[in-house]
Amino acid sequence: EDQVTQSPEALRLQEGESSSLNCSYTVSGLRGLFWYRQDPGKGPEFLFTLYSAGEEKEKERLKATLTKKESFLHITAPKPEDSATYLCAVQAVNTGFQKLVFGTGTRLLVSP
Amino acid sequence: DVKVTQSSRYLVKRTGEKVFLECVQDMDHENMFWYRQDPGLGLRLIYFSYDVKMKEKGDIPEGYSVSREKKERFSLILESASTNQTSMYLCASSPRWTGPTGELFFGEGSRLTVL
Repeated sequence: EDQVTQSPEALRLQEGESSSLNCSYTVSGLRGLFWYRQDPGKGPEFLFTLYSAGEEKEKERLKATLTKKESFLHITAPKPEDSATYLCAVQAVNTGFQKLVFGTGTRLLVSP
Repeated sequence: DVKVTQSSRYLVKRTGEKVFLECVQDMDHENMFWYRQDPGLGLRLIYFSYDVKMKEKGDIPEGYSVSREKKERFSLILESASTNQTSMYLCASSPRWTGPTGELFFGEGSRLTVL
């Protein structure tokens, strides 16, 4: 069974304090790994897709990396507006449609 | 910009009521999805549709049905609402040929409380 585990559940940072969020996955052949950001009371907003081990994607203060077992979302010098829940999801190659298996997310709070 | 609109942001219903959650997308996407999101459980797929009048069960279809009469509209129906269906419901869409990102576009969510 495909599974995604995110850690930590919650993370509190001071503004400017860099850190990383972890997404561990088990899947029967990875088609893609997705990162989403979700603000309170809103739907998830797409950030990145990673397809193969060694791949990296960047967007502003965020950088996502991928290995064969896990992905990291690195946050460099975060600002309060980066506060959100970050969701990781995987799609297996044997699914004929975009069935994503989501983790439970990491709640990030960045204090000024 | 892709826009996925869910008709109701907040609903309060009584046990046994029939509940309709409506979702409309304006980007001519073939695929549409309904998820529910619960603390500690993440997003779980209820149903999806890859074309008009087509539907497929997701991981947790029990107690739900769907309707897709038009390409842009995908409705989730709770035939007889129960308290364990209190949740945040999220609609999403994507084009059939997903391009390089494979992303899903989500609506803002409908928070349903069943009393």
